[in-house]
Amino acid sequence: AQRVTQPEKLLSVFKGAPVELKCNYSYSGSPELFWYVQYSRQRLQLLLRHISRESIKGFTADLNKGETSFHLKKPFAQEEDSAMYYCALLGGGYNKLIFGAGTRLAVHP
Amino acid sequence: GAVVSQHPSWVICKSGTSVKIECRSLDFQATTMFWYRQFPKQSLMLMATSNEGSKATYEQGVEKDKFLINHASLTLSTLTVTSAHPEDSSFYICSANAADRGYGYTFGSGTRLTVV
Repeated sequence: AQRVTQPEKLLSVFKGAPVELKCNYSYSGSPELFWYVQYSRQRLQLLLRHISRESIKGFTADLNKGETSFHLKKPFAQEEDSAMYYCALLGGGYNKLIFGAGTRLAVHP
Repeated sequence: GAVVSQHPSWVICKSGTSVKIECRSLDFQATTMFWYRQFPKQSLMLMATSNEGSKATYEQGVEKDKFLINHASLTLSTLTVTSAHPEDSSFYICSANAADRGYGYTFGSGTRLTVV
C-alpha cells in the first residue's frame, strides 16, 4: 500500500536552530516525493521535489531508499518558516498525490 | 505561472441543498484534476480524480452520488455536494497537474463549506 508517514504533528524550535521534519514512505515502485508548504491563510504550494535535488529557502531533502525516508532539513530556522509542511508521494493510477498528515513548524524568536 | 482558480472561497448552505464548487486552470490545460478534502488540523484526503471527458475515479469510501464531479473541458472541473448535511462541512481543495509547464501539481485556494 502507498503511504506517507509524518510522525510529528508539531515541531517547535527557536530561530537559528536546525530543523528536521521527518517523512517516511511506503511504495512498491520507484517513488517520486515532494514537500509542500502551507503558510497561514495561503494555498498549498510546492517547496521542493526529490528529482530536482534543489534547495529552496534554505531547505533540502534527500531521498533515502534504504530507510524509505525523505526528511526535510534546514540548518538555521527563520520565523517566516513557520507553516504546515506536508510530505507527498506521487503514485498510483492517474499519478495522484498521496499526502502525509503534515507537521506544523513553529519557529519562535 | 500555472494558476488554479477555485470558487467560491467559502459557502454556507442549508441542509438538504446542493452546492457546486468550481476549479479552473487559468493558463494551462489540465486533462486531470484532483479533489481533496481537509478536516481541521488534518491532512488532505484525496476524494477523487477528475478526468476530462470521462467519469471521475473515486477513492474508496467516497460516495459517488454524494460528490458529483464533472470535468467538461480541459480547464474546468466542478464538484457538486448533493443533499448536503452538516457532516459534509469541510475544506475542499482542487489540484491540477501543470507538469507540462514545469510547475508540477498546482492547488486552488480551497473552498470552506459550512452546512447549517
